[in-house]
Amino acid sequence: GAGVSQTPSNKVTEKGKYVELRCDPISGHTALYWYRQSLGQGPEFLIYFQGTGAADDSGLPNDRFFAVRPEGSVSTLKIQRTERGDSAVYLCASSPGALTNYGYTFGSGTRLTVV
Amino acid sequence: GQQLNQSPQSMFIQEGEDVSMNCTSSSIFNTWLWYKQDPGEGPVLLIALYKAGELTSNGRLTAQFGITRKDSFLNISASIPSDVGIYFCAGQGASGTYKYIFGTGTRLKVLA
Repeated sequence: GAGVSQTPSNKVTEKGKYVELRCDPISGHTALYWYRQSLGQGPEFLIYFQGTGAADDSGLPNDRFFAVRPEGSVSTLKIQRTERGDSAVYLCASSPGALTNYGYTFGSGTRLTVV
Repeated sequence: GQQLNQSPQSMFIQEGEDVSMNCTSSSIFNTWLWYKQDPGEGPVLLIALYKAGELTSNGRLTAQFGITRKDSFLNISASIPSDVGIYFCAGQGASGTYKYIFGTGTRLKVLA
């Protein structure tokens, strides 16, 4: 696609539920990133994919968070047993390759609210 | 997680005024980026800097890569109402080419 597409744009879920957030990167971009932006803060790195594999998942806060990119394009961020502290905007970004001197192109984000 | 320190946190200015903001880090960076984020949108890249001392412009925006490689500055000249938003710096260190550390943001409001 022309830009990075994220769905849903908003998600409200109850504490303890499971959620999936989807990211469709720019066509042809091999590198995909998930960042989390809490209220009043800048984005914080969660995970980086190069192709189908997670090259760096060091930013995932705990084992309730997991992300996949099975065909090297669309990625899904999965959060199990959601907690109120998981409420944030989850941003996805992509770039042509791992050499991201030009930065990333971000999507509009999914605003997750856990009640 | 680690975040870079941006100053000021927020500012109100009159239309037509110039704006200055900065970003500091305890680590040396090889690349500095400046992004702008509008409400409900993702950050959009404004300027990229790759060399210590480098000064780069994009229209009314000018950014500098600090000599120490631990800071960067963004100036906006003759501000207009559409400049309102949150400005983030982001730094990329030598340890990886893919990961950026973002600042805490400077929220800009322009009074017409």
